[in-house]
This record gives sequence, C-alpha cells and structure tokens, in this order.
Amino acid sequence: DAGVIQSPRHEVTEMGQEVTLRCKPISGHDYLFWYRQTMMRGLELLIYFNNNVPIDDSGMPEDRFSAKMPNASFSTLKIQPSEPRDSAVYFCASSSDLPPYEQYFGPGTRLTVT
Amino acid sequence: DQQVKQNSPSLSVQEGRISILNCDYTNSMFDYFLWYKKYPAEGPTFLISISSIKDKNEDGRFTVFLNKSAKHLSLHIVPSQPGDSAVYFCAASAVGGDSWGKFQFGAGTQVVVTP
Repeated sequence: DAGVIQSPRHEVTEMGQEVTLRCKPISGHDYLFWYRQTMMRGLELLIYFNNNVPIDDSGMPEDRFSAKMPNASFSTLKIQPSEPRDSAVYFCASSSDLPPYEQYFGPGTRLTVT
Repeated sequence: DQQVKQNSPSLSVQEGRISILNCDYTNSMFDYFLWYKKYPAEGPTFLISISSIKDKNEDGRFTVFLNKSAKHLSLHIVPSQPGDSAVYFCAASAVGGDSWGKFQFGAGTQVVVTP
C-alpha cells in the first residue's frame, strides 16, 4: 500500500482565496483524521470521520473551514476564504479500529497564505 | 486546554546512551497512549503503544512506562542511535469512551543524538 496520500505537498496562496487540501486514506481504514501543526499550538485535531461520517468537528477553528468525505477513499479540507493565520502544515491520517489504534499519517501539506 | 504535556521541548543525548522522554496527562479517562516519531518534512510515524491495563510495554530498543496514579508516561530508548534524532510526540485517548479515535497530542520533544 502506498500509505496515506496528500496533495498538494505545498500550497502558496493569497489571503481571501479558497484552498482545498486532498487526502486518500489507506484502503480498509475506517477512520480519517485531519490535523494542523503550528509552532504555537503543536499538532491539533481538526475533525475526524468514521465510515465517511463526520464524528467530531470541534477542532475546526471557524466556519471558514469545512471538510468532506464523499467516499471511503477520498477526503477534502477546504478553507474559504483563507487568511495568513491559516499558514501551517496540515496532516491527514487514517486508522483501523483495531489495537494498537495507531494512525498512519500522510506527508502533510504545507500551506502558506500571504 | 492542553491535556497532554511534554514539558521538555528538546533533549540531547550521546550515541549509545539512554534517552528518556516524559509525558504527563490530566484527563483520568485516558486509557490508551501512543508514541510517534517525526522526521522533518514527513508525517509522524507510530512507534509504540501502551494501554492502561499495563504499566510497561517493550519493543526492541523502545520501552514505554505508564504510571497511572501519577498520570505520567515515559519513553526509553536504549541504546540511542543517530537515526533516533527526531521529534517525538506522545498521544492519549479514551478508547473505551465516546471519544474513541480522538487522540490528544503533546507538543513534542526534539531529540538530538550526538556521536
């Protein structure tokens, strides 16, 4: 398996523009997670899905952020409109529901909003 | 609120010696703990886990100890090798509760192994 795939790896955009981050989880994994990593806040969970259904989106910072999982092999995280404070590395991860419950992370998308 | 804390942002250790990384948590509902390792420009990768029914788990050079009464866990790496230089995150979750899958991560500890 190729692991969790994220695209793009790097995104530079101007404030106010829409940004869409994409993720393909590992086949067979029931759970998908979106994280954001910043120097100030570390690695924070934004939202996670179970069997394509959003379970907990309490970490989504504000209404400008939205996430979807239309099928078991694809998810998007959208920011509209983007702001400079959204600049961070965004990780997608997937896992099964079996011990040791480890999450497999993608390589991340480094987002820079100017 | 930070429910998982790694109070040492960095650790320098000589090759061959022991690295000890510490992690404290505040939520008594946490019953499953993971350690991850992260290299620059890569996502974190799973290292070792421990559930609250155990107080120790070992995998090769890596051992995790859990002290539930102190709400403290530690990761021991023996012997440390240059390839162990990375950021280490601990993560905790209440697997048996409603928030299954929701792991809280610590801020990470940067380990540098020197020759």
